[in-house]
Amino acid sequence: EDKVVQSPLSLVVHEGDTVTLNCSYEVTNFRSLLWYKQEKKAPTFLFMLTSSGIEKKSGRLSSKLDKKELSSILNITATQTGDSAIYLCAVTGTASKLTFGTGTRLQVTL
Amino acid sequence: GAGVSQTPSNKVTEKGKYVELRCDPISGHTALYWYRQSLGQGPEFLIYFQGTGAADDSGLPNDRFFAVRPEGSVSTLKIQRTERGDSAVYLCASSPRRQGETGSTGELFFGEGSRLTVL
Repeated sequence: EDKVVQSPLSLVVHEGDTVTLNCSYEVTNFRSLLWYKQEKKAPTFLFMLTSSGIEKKSGRLSSKLDKKELSSILNITATQTGDSAIYLCAVTGTASKLTFGTGTRLQVTL
Repeated sequence: GAGVSQTPSNKVTEKGKYVELRCDPISGHTALYWYRQSLGQGPEFLIYFQGTGAADDSGLPNDRFFAVRPEGSVSTLKIQRTERGDSAVYLCASSPRRQGETGSTGELFFGEGSRLTVL
């Protein structure tokens, strides 16, 4: 059974800080790892990482995949209060579905 | 519509009752997924449709749960004899392609969810 573990479960930082969120996984026939941001209800897509694309960057957010360690990190630099959300990591394998972790709840304070 | 639409947004029911949750995916999206999210947890896979057929229903917890997508667009998740443990947010997502298919970006487009409370 596919499994995703995220850490930390939650953290509180000050605006301007840099944060690193962690995701480790176990999946049969890995295809991709995805990061989503969930502010209220609907998760919104951030990045997809695959064997052929192990680093992605968009503005202050960046992500890397370590296939050897079966893990990924999501970095957010110069955090803003609008970054406060739950960040979800998910993987796809043989099956055409996403298996999600429990998420990391990030709170950015002034 | 522009995004995935789910109705109702909130549903309160009594234990033992029957409920239906509806999902209207983005037009043209062939793949449709149902997930369930309990408080403090990540979304948990329930069922996946490719077109009209359920390609993977391995996440349905028991036979009280059933989902249909008769015309390959709108889907309905049906829960019989509801129990308090069924209380959660039920999320629907659609995608233009099957996960892992050539050309797939991997992105699922989620609706706002239906919050089900079983008293």
